[in-house]
Amino acid sequence: QKEVEQDPGPLSVPEGAIVSLNCTYSNSAFQYFMWYRQYSRKGPELLMYTYSSGNKEDGRFTAQVDKSSKYISLFIRDSQPSDSATYLCAMSASGLGAQKLVFGQGTRLTINP
Amino acid sequence: ETGVTQSPTHLIKTRGQQVTLRCSSQSGHNTVSWYQQALGQGPQFIFQYYREEENGRGNFPPRFSGLQFPNYSSELNVNALELDDSALYLCASTRGGAEETQYFGPGTRLLVL
Repeated sequence: QKEVEQDPGPLSVPEGAIVSLNCTYSNSAFQYFMWYRQYSRKGPELLMYTYSSGNKEDGRFTAQVDKSSKYISLFIRDSQPSDSATYLCAMSASGLGAQKLVFGQGTRLTINP
Repeated sequence: ETGVTQSPTHLIKTRGQQVTLRCSSQSGHNTVSWYQQALGQGPQFIFQYYREEENGRGNFPPRFSGLQFPNYSSELNVNALELDDSALYLCASTRGGAEETQYFGPGTRLLVL
C-alpha cells in the first residue's frame, strides 16, 4: 500500500465549476500537507499548505485536512481554464523543506471554457 | 520563475551508460533534493544534500549518487542506466527550515533506450 493515494483522474469540468481534489494517507506522522500544481513541461510549484488539521483559504483555493480520517482535500471555486494542470498532494513529517516529501500520483485537471 | 535551473532539458541514453544531470539553485539555498517522476506518477524522493553532505536518501540503489557544490549547484549521477530510469528528474532547493518552501526546477527528461 502506498503511503499517499490520489485518484489520477483525468478530471474534466466546465469553467466556473467547483473542483474537489482529494488524497488519503496512511502515515500518522505526517504533519505538513501540501498541494502542488504542475503545468505541462514545468516543475511542481507550491500552491498552499496546511500544518496539522484544519482549513486554509487562499483566494479561490481552500485546503482541508482531516487527520482523524487521514484525508485531505483541495477545493477550487470559480474554476478557470488557467487552472488546467496536474495537482499533486504532498506530505511530510517535518516541514516543507523536509528530507522527504511524499507525493501522491497527481490528478490531471482540465477546465473547459 | 523559481530561480532553479536544470540542464540539459532532454537527454537520450542507452542502457548501461552513465548520465550526469545538473541543477543550479538560488543563492542562499543550502539544501537541495532530487526527485524522480515517472510518466503519470508523482515525484519520488531520491536524496537530499545539505551543505555538500548527503542528508537523507529514498529507496534508490547506490548507482544513484549526487554532489553539491559551494556555489549552490548540484549534480545527480546515475550509473549503469536501466530502461526503468526513464523519467523526469527534478531538483528542488530551499533555505531549509520547517516553513521554508522547496522550489522546483523544470526538470530533465531522460529517456533510456
